[in-house]
Amino acid sequence: QVQLVQSGAEVKKPGASVKVSCKASVNSFTGNFVHWVRQAPGQGPEWMGIISPGGDSTTYAQRFQDRVTLTRDTSTGTVYMELSSLRSEDTAVYYCATTPLDDFYYFDSWGRGTLVTVSS
Amino acid sequence: SFVLTQPPSVSVAPGRAANITCGGNNIGSKSVHWYQQKPGQAPVVVISYDNDRPSGIPERFSGSNSGNTATLTISRVEVGDEAGYFCQVWDDRSDHPVFGGGTKLTVL
Repeated sequence: QVQLVQSGAEVKKPGASVKVSCKASVNSFTGNFVHWVRQAPGQGPEWMGIISPGGDSTTYAQRFQDRVTLTRDTSTGTVYMELSSLRSEDTAVYYCATTPLDDFYYFDSWGRGTLVTVSS
Repeated sequence: SFVLTQPPSVSVAPGRAANITCGGNNIGSKSVHWYQQKPGQAPVVVISYDNDRPSGIPERFSGSNSGNTATLTISRVEVGDEAGYFCQVWDDRSDHPVFGGGTKLTVL
């Protein structure tokens, strides 16, 4: 398992963009796929996308396809999630999560989440 | 995509068993994973692949999956088990994970 440390809470105005970071606290997670999942108040988690260990491949959920960008800085071991054209419905806690190195279908490590509030 | 349905809340007295369900169309044909989520903390997997307990998870946590319902059972519930729990499967059609809406477990 990997301990994931995320950046702090953000407050953004509608139409703006937000960029959230995720980094392993001790050991690097260069071999892990990293997913991003968000959870709006009172709702279940929602998958947003995945980035490969090398950062050269990404897949996004269809509903975020044109607004989300996942990137990876392999030199610092940091993964980023950027969401653009923010609206009030994007207010949520955003999590990064990894799957085990030998598995792909469940998450063995999660960050504590980053609260993004979109408000005018 | 595949839809998972959980009851919003479950209440149980300390020492009793709690059953949290996750419904889905023929979910028994899929592998179900369960996570515990406490306020301000990272979610933690408590059951993977229907009934596998990761190291460090008490034996009181178990799972089952058949037909249209998967169930997380917490036996001899403790106050510290009070948390949110959500289920997750991998949707082969969309090729991404899908989550249930989550269940708030209250220990009375």
